[in-house]
Amino acid sequence: AQSVTQPDIHITVSEGASLELRCNYSYGATPYLFWYVQSPGQGLQLLLKYFSGDTLVQGIKGFEAEFKRSQSSFNLRKPSVHWSDAAEYFCAVNNNDMRFGAGTRLTVKP
Amino acid sequence: DAGITQSPRYKITETGRQVTLMCHQTWSHSYMFWYRQDLGHGLRLIYYSAAADITDKGEVPDGYVVSRSKTENFPLTLESATRSQTSVYFCASSASGSGNEQFFGPGTRLTVL
Repeated sequence: AQSVTQPDIHITVSEGASLELRCNYSYGATPYLFWYVQSPGQGLQLLLKYFSGDTLVQGIKGFEAEFKRSQSSFNLRKPSVHWSDAAEYFCAVNNNDMRFGAGTRLTVKP
Repeated sequence: DAGITQSPRYKITETGRQVTLMCHQTWSHSYMFWYRQDLGHGLRLIYYSAAADITDKGEVPDGYVVSRSKTENFPLTLESATRSQTSVYFCASSASGSGNEQFFGPGTRLTVL
């Protein structure tokens, strides 16, 4: 069955520390891949997307993600987290329809 | 203002009542979507529409009805609300299907008592 897995429900990092949020998918072919961020009480905002080509994609707010076909992964990274990055992060894949992971809640410690 | 809006933002209703959630977008996007967001499930697709008068079921369509008589509007109706439909509902739109980014509205928090 097609699925998107975000193994970490909740992650806490210190401000200034690096961040990696994991995402794995299970699809027959390489789908379109997305990372969205949701601040409390808000809708989802696109951080970045991968369609093809360079497997390292840059997004807004200093985020990047790397597509690894061999691992069926699309992990999100940021070298230095800011307090304003505290939010819920969703990985999504689109292969005819959009499927979302369950989300990872990021807490940033001062 | 341009964008995608949802109304109401908050709604409390009772079991068995009919409720309609509204969604309006100003981009003339072809595709529109309804999702529900529940803890531990992320977002799940309820219905989507590829164009006016074309709608199709998503992952969790039971208990919901949609229509799309105009490109810009995509209302979602709960014909007889149940407690299990308590959720946050998000509308989204995109210019086309699979490859395109979806733009999300602010959400409607629905509580069914």
